[in-house]
Amino acid sequence: DAKTTQPPSMDCAEGRAANLPCNHSTISGNEYVYWYRQIHSQGPQYIIHGLKNNETNEMASLIITEDRKSSTLILPHATLRDTAVYYCIVRTSRAGTASKLTFGTGTRLQVTL
Amino acid sequence: DTAVSQTPKYLVTQMGNDKSIKCEQNLGHDTMYWYKQDSKKFLKIMFSYNNKELIINETVPNRFSPKSPDKAHLNLHINSLELGDSAVYFCASSLLGDYNEQFFGPGTRLTVL
Repeated sequence: DAKTTQPPSMDCAEGRAANLPCNHSTISGNEYVYWYRQIHSQGPQYIIHGLKNNETNEMASLIITEDRKSSTLILPHATLRDTAVYYCIVRTSRAGTASKLTFGTGTRLQVTL
Repeated sequence: DTAVSQTPKYLVTQMGNDKSIKCEQNLGHDTMYWYKQDSKKFLKIMFSYNNKELIINETVPNRFSPKSPDKAHLNLHINSLELGDSAVYFCASSLLGDYNEQFFGPGTRLTVL
């Protein structure tokens, strides 16, 4: 699985959009970009994943650059409850196999009033 | 309607003891996992079971023995506990298939004195 690079920390004002970048310059054609987050003292929570098209769900949007070497997770209206460590994970997806998530150090997002 | 549950939430024990952590999921998933998060917050996979069969076994000391009585349960037994085993242990589950999101339990904080 390709390595990812994320800033160690970011701040965001409540109500504003939080844009969390991830660099994955060695990503290969069959590797997906996944985002999970871990709110303090809780288990990680899946947010979203994508291959090359932009994706949106009820939690967030995922923007993947055309060359797929980087992506941005967007929380459109951050709230205090979004304060967490956000992990960008790149991995190959194969049907019929178990998923071995490899977590890096992530980005600690602090949402402030 | 807890999805993935773990017991106990906290476990404090002496070095050399044997202890177990239990995990249950009611999501109808066929694959379960154990992850370890150490004091530096690095989260690493330990084991994965699919339909009671071991399918992922990372380099984990053989003092750790997972047991899956059925596909809804994956317990972790640890023999001869050591100081370095102190960590938060997370159970997770998913459907088999590398692209399927994993659902994590609340974690068990193990402290070895």
